[in-house]
Amino acid sequence: EVQLVQSGTAVKKPGESLKISCEVSRYDFATYWIAWVRQMPGKGPEWMGTIYPPDSDTRYSPSFQGQVTMSVDKTISTAYLQWTSLRASDTATYYCARHPSSGWHIDYWGQGTRVIVSS
Amino acid sequence: EIVMTQSPATLSVSPGERATLSCWASQSVTNDLAWYQQKPGQPPRLLISGASTRAAGVPARFSGSGSGTEFTLTISSLQSEDFAIYYCQEYSNWRGPFTFGPGTKVDIK
Repeated sequence: EVQLVQSGTAVKKPGESLKISCEVSRYDFATYWIAWVRQMPGKGPEWMGTIYPPDSDTRYSPSFQGQVTMSVDKTISTAYLQWTSLRASDTATYYCARHPSSGWHIDYWGQGTRVIVSS
Repeated sequence: EIVMTQSPATLSVSPGERATLSCWASQSVTNDLAWYQQKPGQPPRLLISGASTRAAGVPARFSGSGSGTEFTLTISSLQSEDFAIYYCQEYSNWRGPFTFGPGTKVDIK
């Protein structure tokens, strides 16, 4: 079955940088867009943006444009989400997920990476 | 940006009963609407796409209906494993953003 395996919990201080990863397997990484979704504690999911691995074409939600950077490494079927300067408000669980070819919904999700930003 | 609304915020249901969850979009999304189920500590799970198409492995007691701006998820006979939070999501504009609703929590009455 399709798998998206994310990096583990990250505990950081405000102002620090962070890059989290999402390694996919059991499907062709080059065929599907990969999304990132934020879920703050006790809140609903928020779609942050999506990236197309073959050419790194990226679309960001206006709410996240300029706040994060999405990237991929096709050689190891891995997608990344990074911050240059974290804030306490970035504390959340971040999911990578796959858009199927049939639409812009999400058919497979990673297990989530918890990011804690605290001084 | 399209705004998604869900009602009720919490639905208390007895096992075996029917549950009806509603989702509205601030403008037409045609039938580009998905439903997800989320349990504590887990990622969301796709139940329905295209407003009414069940995802692989989803039991037939889950059904979706609606189009345009009004949508419904019905669980015909609630099982113990169905107590969870349910989110709708629109995905009508290829540019995004693909907005989720605030969720409906289905708990045990």
